[in-house]
Amino acid sequence: DIVLTQSPASLTVSLGQRATISCRASKSVSTSAYSYMHWYQQKPGQPPKLLIYLASNLESGVPARFSGSGSGTDFTLNIHPVEEEDAATYYCQHSRELPYTFGGGTKLEIK
Amino acid sequence: EVQLQQSGPELVKPGASVKISCKTSGYTFTEYTMHWVKQSHGKSLEWIGIINPNNGGTSYNQKFKDKATLTVDKSSITAYMELRSLTSEDSAVYYCARPDFDEYFDVWGAGTTVTVSS
Repeated sequence: DIVLTQSPASLTVSLGQRATISCRASKSVSTSAYSYMHWYQQKPGQPPKLLIYLASNLESGVPARFSGSGSGTDFTLNIHPVEEEDAATYYCQHSRELPYTFGGGTKLEIK
Repeated sequence: EVQLQQSGPELVKPGASVKISCKTSGYTFTEYTMHWVKQSHGKSLEWIGIINPNNGGTSYNQKFKDKATLTVDKSSITAYMELRSLTSEDSAVYYCARPDFDEYFDVWGAGTTVTVSS
């Protein structure tokens, strides 16, 4: 199974600043065409919400302050400028092969 | 609008089984696979398995292959997951999730809370 390691586990960022979350895969999740890495936001009591798909594509309706990058085994989610409503837990997920797996999550707090 | 409506919370005794449902609407049921995901309290997400509603074909995370059974009813456009031999470790929120064709989950159910307690 592909293991996804997220860092940091928690993060406190000032309003208007940048939040950077990393996700490292135990093997490549990219092909020559696509990188099968996706990012979700989850708030308490809610299901995860898709933010970024295929490493860098912004899901419809998601604010442009969210962006994703990376390929192979190293991926990054950036949020800039951070807003109060971005306080949540963020997860990466790969779909390169079965079984799909998720990262351990990064809890973002805003100060 | 694509929607996944999950069944309500379940309180079940250790050793029992439970079957939770995910009723779909807003899209052609047989054109997309359905996945199930577990989230234990305060923890990350675990992928349980996938079912192809077109032919009933399934694939499971090895960790859940003796725990979960995925089925569908095409007449009611509903997906089901049965969990058996329940223990406290199975207490969690269970989500159904429909992926886009590149297997990222753009539609989620609200989740079904399963509590295993005597």
